[in-house]
Amino acid sequence: ETGVTQSPTHLIKTRGQQVTLRCSSQSGHNTVSWYQQALGQGPQFIFQYYREEENGRGNFPPRFSGLQFPNYSSELNVNALELDDSALYLCASSDPRWPANTGELFFGEGSRLTVL
Amino acid sequence: AQRVTQPEKLLSVFKGAPVELKCNYSYSGSPELFWYVQYSRQRLQLLLRHISRESIKGFTADLNKGETSFHLKKPFAQEEDSAMYYCALRAGGSTLGRLYFGRGTQLTVWP
Repeated sequence: ETGVTQSPTHLIKTRGQQVTLRCSSQSGHNTVSWYQQALGQGPQFIFQYYREEENGRGNFPPRFSGLQFPNYSSELNVNALELDDSALYLCASSDPRWPANTGELFFGEGSRLTVL
Repeated sequence: AQRVTQPEKLLSVFKGAPVELKCNYSYSGSPELFWYVQYSRQRLQLLLRHISRESIKGFTADLNKGETSFHLKKPFAQEEDSAMYYCALRAGGSTLGRLYFGRGTQLTVWP
């Protein structure tokens, strides 16, 4: 059983650019959620994908968008990058199917984005 | 609106001493509460959930709806407990992957 993997681990962009972050969910998990973790803060929910559709969104502008693919992997896209987008971006997968549904999220190690 | 507050950013205790990491929440419905932990150079992982009512690695946490608290406790801290601890809440009826996290408490257990 493989865990959640994210790529890239680190990247540097400049203001106005666009970035794509990738996530492979844990084997068998069909739900992926994305979080932003600024320095010194707890993770903040961006959105969740289930069956290739967004089914929950936090307080983030539309320039944060995502995709989920048939194999349950996911992408987070951020357009028109701003300095405040510098953060660790975490992907988490979960399995909503009973009895596997324990409510536990399985996190990746994150992608650290620096915007200059 | 849902909110999770962890008042202590840093907490230090000596090995063998009791430890309590505080967590208060703001939510009008029936929440699910969690403690997640991140050890050095490891990913964020679940420590325990209030609905399980279980002790993990000697830690327990009781949901107190009257005080809207979910403090994490361990009677005798160990050096390997040093880590970042996050309290998290899931609102009733919310999507599975949507958690509200506190800012975290960095626990250091000295030898």
